[in-house]
Amino acid sequence: QKEVEQNSGPLSVPEGAIASLNCTYSDRVSQSFFWYRQYSGKSPELIMSIYSNGDKEDGRFTAQLNKASQYVSLLIRDSQPSDSATYLCAVMPSNDYKLSFGAGTTVTVRA
Amino acid sequence: NAGVTQTPKFQVLKTGQSMTLQCAQDMNHNSMYWYRQDPGMGLRLIYYSASEGTTDKGEVPNGYNVSRLNKREFSLRLESAAPSQTSVYFCASSTERLAGTGELFFGEGSRLTVL
Repeated sequence: QKEVEQNSGPLSVPEGAIASLNCTYSDRVSQSFFWYRQYSGKSPELIMSIYSNGDKEDGRFTAQLNKASQYVSLLIRDSQPSDSATYLCAVMPSNDYKLSFGAGTTVTVRA
Repeated sequence: NAGVTQTPKFQVLKTGQSMTLQCAQDMNHNSMYWYRQDPGMGLRLIYYSASEGTTDKGEVPNGYNVSRLNKREFSLRLESAAPSQTSVYFCASSTERLAGTGELFFGEGSRLTVL
């Protein structure tokens, strides 16, 4: 079982809709969770981090964490064509400082 | 403001050839990493260096060696390239041990093809 699992997609949403991305992780002691965005042919960049259960909002992005279910999600509200990218979920265990990445979910926003 | 610089950006090798990927960062970061990215596999850690003078194996170290030349530079060497090493390689840096922030700063990537 991979440490971090994501639906590979592609996820296609119309402009203005909500894109919902899911991620599950296997290491129950993981404490820190991150979302990276990667445009085609480019390098990943950090867009969200979340450390405690609940929701964290940053502009049009909301990260949700449920440690009991070992589940983290990312919502993109009012999706724009510029949000078309691959979104990588990353997890950092509490006893380590290296990130484990999921395979990524590719999102396409249709104009 | 260069950030993380990788060279070369593209390389084609024949099986058995060797090469070194170079990486340099100008952000005064202590920790540096080499990842490979393959379709459907996400980013996998090859080697990392928590601080100058230390290196450790990651998830997929076989077939690779690294050198932390100084605080700025971290190179990745393929001694005898194999087709399975065809991939996009990313160098990244961070504050020491990610300092809990989880923020990696990536280079632009090096696309390697082994024939």
